[in-house]
Amino acid sequence: DTGVSQDPRHKITKRGQNVTFRCDPISEHNRLYWYRQTLGQGPEFLTYFQNEAQLEKSRLLSDRFSAERPKGSFSTLEIQRTEQGDSAMYLCASSPWDYNEQFFGPGTRLTVL
Amino acid sequence: SQQGEEDPQALSIQEGENATMNCSYKTSINNLQWYRQNSGRGLVHLILIRSNEREKHSGRLRVTLDTSKKSSSLLITASRAADTASYFCATAPMNTGFQKLVFGTGTRLLVSP
Repeated sequence: DTGVSQDPRHKITKRGQNVTFRCDPISEHNRLYWYRQTLGQGPEFLTYFQNEAQLEKSRLLSDRFSAERPKGSFSTLEIQRTEQGDSAMYLCASSPWDYNEQFFGPGTRLTVL
Repeated sequence: SQQGEEDPQALSIQEGENATMNCSYKTSINNLQWYRQNSGRGLVHLILIRSNEREKHSGRLRVTLDTSKKSSSLLITASRAADTASYFCATAPMNTGFQKLVFGTGTRLLVSP
């Protein structure tokens, strides 16, 4: 399968714990995006990478959130000191540099107890 | 925050009927895209319409765009049970150097056999 992959698909954690999600974009896609989707809502933009550079972060991305794309390939999203309000689906997408369509992964569903 | 609203929030039809869903947005855009999301899964791109286009077709899909009213509609003709999903419009706001997508709230479509 050459699509966007995300790991894990599901994560259950206790409040206060740290969690890390991984996204592997389609190879050779320069752009990588993270979105968060809560139940019954559309995805909301969190952050964007062009190659290894993080070019924009949403105000939704509090200081507890950090994202990296160290070699311009895979990306990680870490949430420190999780809160119940962090429970959501975290979606990763990628696209080529000059392409409008974004290709989404299956998402990581986070449940914070 | 969401860019716009979709109407209706939910739609229930029989196989073979047409389904129409509407999207309104708030700011000037480069393009508008429609995505489909099956329950608990990632999003799949359906169709993109640019700001200088008024109508576009792709298979059983027909999209219209009225930039003066800041609205779009998606028509699915001859619906099938497999079309059951949530449908989201997503806009690429003008003057963004990359394709940051701003999603609507979605329409949940149920197609009964």
